[in-house]
Amino acid sequence: EVQLVESGGDLVQPGGSLRLSCAASGFTFSTYNMDWVRQAPGKGLEWVSHIDSLSNIIFYADSVKGRFTISRDNARNSLYLQMDGLRAEDTAVYYCARVSLGELHFDSWGQGTLVSVSS
Amino acid sequence: VVMTQSPATLSVSPGQRATLSCWASQTISSNLAWYQQKPGQTPRLLIYGASTRATGIPGRFSGSGSGTDFTLTISSLQSEDFAVYYCQQYYYWPLTFGQGTKVEIK
Repeated sequence: EVQLVESGGDLVQPGGSLRLSCAASGFTFSTYNMDWVRQAPGKGLEWVSHIDSLSNIIFYADSVKGRFTISRDNARNSLYLQMDGLRAEDTAVYYCARVSLGELHFDSWGQGTLVSVSS
Repeated sequence: VVMTQSPATLSVSPGQRATLSCWASQTISSNLAWYQQKPGQTPRLLIYGASTRATGIPGRFSGSGSGTDFTLTISSLQSEDFAVYYCQQYYYWPLTFGQGTKVEIK
């Protein structure tokens, strides 16, 4: 069974940093591209970042470019999101999502981790 | 690419048909997915490639369309289908979602 378990969400002050993690199991992590998608409270889904299976191709949404860094460790079956310069508008549940092989839609999602940015 | 969903809220009686629309601001071929999200739950993939049901998705869910106009149809609404539905295009970067359609009990 595919499992994606996020962690690292917390309450942080504006300008602060957080590192989110996503532990994957139940599939061959190293063969899948992975993404982060977020959802602000009561709002819709927003794509955040993409990393391919070998960390060669990385994309970011304009809203986080230059502040967030996606990475992965295939040996540890883990995906990460380093979030610096956090703003109030970054407040959201952050989901780790598996990208379907050969496609760019998401066939599995984690339960999410809440990031709150407030003073 | 801006994805626009209509209507924002759809009130439907159980057993009735629901038709949800999604428009793309540019042509995206058939690179469109639909997701279902129930309150407090994670999104679930329903449809990809505009019309292919994901594994385990009941046959009452169907998708159609290509280019810029897409439709998700739920042929006979069950109680567990009341949720928010999102479309997502994956033809262009950045990947983008529609704002969602809430399907509620009439």
